Amino acid sequence: QAVLTQPSSLSASPGASASLTCTLRSGISVGTYNIYWYQQKSGSPPQYLLRYKSDSDKQQGSGVPSRFSGSKDASANAGILLISGLQSEDEADYYCAIWYSSASVIFGGGTKLTVL
Amino acid sequence: EVLLVESGGGLVQPGGSLRLSCAASGFTFSRYWMTWVRQAPGKGLEWVANIKSDGSEKYYVDSEKGRFTISRDNAKNSLYLQITSLRVDDTAVYYCVTFTPGGWGQGTLVTVSS
Repeated sequence: QAVLTQPSSLSASPGASASLTCTLRSGISVGTYNIYWYQQKSGSPPQYLLRYKSDSDKQQGSGVPSRFSGSKDASANAGILLISGLQSEDEADYYCAIWYSSASVIFGGGTKLTVL
Repeated sequence: EVLLVESGGGLVQPGGSLRLSCAASGFTFSRYWMTWVRQAPGKGLEWVANIKSDGSEKYYVDSEKGRFTISRDNAKNSLYLQITSLRVDDTAVYYCVTFTPGGWGQGTLVTVSS
């Protein structure tokens, strides 16, 4: 079982909200980790969106609109990236990541978000 | 604003070596851990290596221990990745990354082919 699991794809309509999940493997508690979120548009490098650990410990990337926000669902053991007011320009691949044991980093497999 | 600029990629034959560089600016480089991440064509992101702010700790993805060496020169605000015994499956875009403060370079393409 992968450490971080993301749905491979998600579709949503312009103006709607999209909730992208990053589920941690059983036995690894989401409450322990900072969850990093990245956006990668076709042909471009990833861009840092935000870091979320808790409502009191979070960071928005420079220039990232406030309609991108992070949260956690402890019952699902998952980190969540919420994108509100979807725009066509939000169509991209989204990756989550955590700093895991011994200063290693784990990435989720990515979610391809389609806005249509 | 965080700016990371990679260089050093190119076409290399299997078994060859390469040294990637990353020039950092816009933040206090010497204070932060730095990371290399790679992305094979059409694939997801794969962590490669981390190095502590002062260079005293280094960590590598298990599958590449021994072939990859991460280093830094804080006086030059630069990060490096030495790769030896290159294989075809090392073909990827290699990114220089800082998780805190957040930032990615534009990447440098390494192609391993005969």
